[in-house]
Amino acid sequence: EDKVVQSPLSLVVHEGDTVTLNCSYEVTNFRSLLWYKQEKKAPTFLFMLTSSGIEKKSGRLSSILDKKELFSILNITATQTGDSAVYLCAAKFGRFGNEKLTFGTGTRLTIIP
Amino acid sequence: DVKVTQSSRYLVKRTGEKVFLECVQDMDHENMFWYRQDPGLGLRLIYFSYDVKMKEKGDIPEGYSVSREKKERFSLILESASTNQTSMYLCASSLLGATYNEQFFGPGTRLTVL
Repeated sequence: EDKVVQSPLSLVVHEGDTVTLNCSYEVTNFRSLLWYKQEKKAPTFLFMLTSSGIEKKSGRLSSILDKKELFSILNITATQTGDSAVYLCAAKFGRFGNEKLTFGTGTRLTIIP
Repeated sequence: DVKVTQSSRYLVKRTGEKVFLECVQDMDHENMFWYRQDPGLGLRLIYFSYDVKMKEKGDIPEGYSVSREKKERFSLILESASTNQTSMYLCASSLLGATYNEQFFGPGTRLTVL
């Protein structure tokens, strides 16, 4: 069964802290790993990772994929209250033209001022 | 910017009613998806479509059907709504063969079935 597991389920930290969110996956015909941020509305895209060991960065956020160990991490440094959200990890898999995503249940991150 | 719109933000229906949820995207994407999102269960794929009039079952298709008569529009149909279909429904679209392209999501429809 294809599955994506995220940990921790929730995390509460103080503003300025650094956090690491984890995502492990087990899917057939893996293609890529995606991270989304969801506040009180639709998920918004953060990163797509297809190659092992290559870090992607966007401001204070960064992410890396390990295709051998089947996991990814999302790091957020110098957290701000605006980072409070649910972070979703998804594995894209399947044959060409028939690809789909399986999502983890998300990590709810709360930043305390 | 890609725009995915959904016909309603909030919807309240009664058990047994037929419910239509509409999704429209304006970027000529081939792939369209319907998910439902429930606390503790994350997003789960109901149906997806990679072309007009084509559809594929996702992980939880029971109790749902879909229609894709035009490329930009993907409809989710609840033939006879039940209380366990109360959920947030999210539509998404992406380019075909989208290994390197993300899915873009609509704002969601929160459906309550009484």
